[in-house]
Amino acid sequence: KAGVTQTPRYLIKTRGQQVTLSCSPISGHRSVSWYQQTPGQGLQFLFEYFSETQRNKGNFPGRFSGRQFSNSRSEMNVSTLELGDSALYLCASSLEGRGSNTEAFFGQGTRLTVV
Amino acid sequence: AQSVSQHNHHVILSEAASLELGCNYSYGGTVNLFWYVQYPGQHLQLLLKYFSGDPLVKGIKGFEAEFIKSKFSFNLRKPSVQWSDTAEYFCAVNVLNYGNNRLAFGKGNQVVVIP
Repeated sequence: KAGVTQTPRYLIKTRGQQVTLSCSPISGHRSVSWYQQTPGQGLQFLFEYFSETQRNKGNFPGRFSGRQFSNSRSEMNVSTLELGDSALYLCASSLEGRGSNTEAFFGQGTRLTVV
Repeated sequence: AQSVSQHNHHVILSEAASLELGCNYSYGGTVNLFWYVQYPGQHLQLLLKYFSGDPLVKGIKGFEAEFIKSKFSFNLRKPSVQWSDTAEYFCAVNVLNYGNNRLAFGKGNQVVVIP
């Protein structure tokens, strides 16, 4: 079974630009979550999607958005990039989540550098 | 504030030494608990998980963790470490009261095992 696939692996963007990251979950998994990992803040929850609906959102500004498609693939978008957005963005998939006992499987991440 | 705490961010030890990493959380209610490991250059991998039942759980590579509900703790242990255990270890909590997949992570423990 293929794991969680994130593309691209590396990105370099300029301040003010926007970026879209992609995540393909494990086949059959319907929940996709996104996390930001930085040396200073660690791993922080961005948002979670299930059946094309955002179920929860972390404490990030509105510049961070996402969506999920009918095949469970997900994208996240960051607009008006700032230097502080430089981070490793991780996608995690799980079977489903509401009240059920599931574990999250993580992708390799996308390393975003904003210059 | 609700949080997950991991102390002693940097741990250096010799092969065959015992390892114990502490994890405390401040969430009330029912929780699922996880330890993830991130080897250099690799993605987050699940070491072990606790959903319910026996509070002593065994994971991969000889790791085990004990859930002590009264202390809100989920400490990770390995009796004898190997050089290949050099990695960053993250404790994570999924608060089921929130009704969705939303992991709160500790800041991690960077473990270096000296041959």
